[in-house]
Amino acid sequence: QQQVKQSPQSLIVQKGGISIINCAYENTAFDYFPWYQQFPGKGPALLIAIRPDVSEKKEGRFTISFNKSAKQFSLHIMDSQPGDSATYFCAAQYSGSARQLTFGSGTQLTVLP
Amino acid sequence: DTEVTQTPKHLVMGMTNKKSLKCEQHMGHRAMYWYKQKAKKPPELMFVYSYEKLSINESVPSRFSPECPNSSLLNLHLHALQPEDSALYLCASSQGLVSNQPQHFGDGTRLSIL
Repeated sequence: QQQVKQSPQSLIVQKGGISIINCAYENTAFDYFPWYQQFPGKGPALLIAIRPDVSEKKEGRFTISFNKSAKQFSLHIMDSQPGDSATYFCAAQYSGSARQLTFGSGTQLTVLP
Repeated sequence: DTEVTQTPKHLVMGMTNKKSLKCEQHMGHRAMYWYKQKAKKPPELMFVYSYEKLSINESVPSRFSPECPNSSLLNLHLHALQPEDSALYLCASSQGLVSNQPQHFGDGTRLSIL
């Protein structure tokens, strides 16, 4: 119930290509879905987030697509750049007495120059 | 630069040492968190503080002792750690436990146990 499944585990994309990372969840109580970007030696940084009443959110080259009925959401990185090379974690959280993040397992993205 | 500041950035300690990790935020957040992250894995929740009171302890061994002196500060006291405790320790904060707002992470303390 608490799991968030993320795929692929690793992804290699050419510069200028589209990177797509997928996540699926089971717990319908989740009401907030953030994506975090983590560079080596740094903490996870909030990249973009979506709520389940919205099907898509775009911020610059980053877009989240959300399918509530399928309980799936994905991150699309358009015009991928070598500087985007990092580990990406999808996550889900829900309102409650103790708000906790449930992370996906992570995707290591490498963008080739 | 992150708005959650953690010190020190790196720490090497022996198994008999006592040390402390520190975390500070000035965003007015009322919830603060400690996470442990192993290489190539997502962060694992250790403790949650809400309004300076311990809200969640995820069955963490007693050799880890958290403390929240005030709403801006969070400490993690370490004693008699084991080699498997070597990891990146992350602090995070959020507006509160019931608000639909994200957690913001610091850059962590890289801890190595000899």
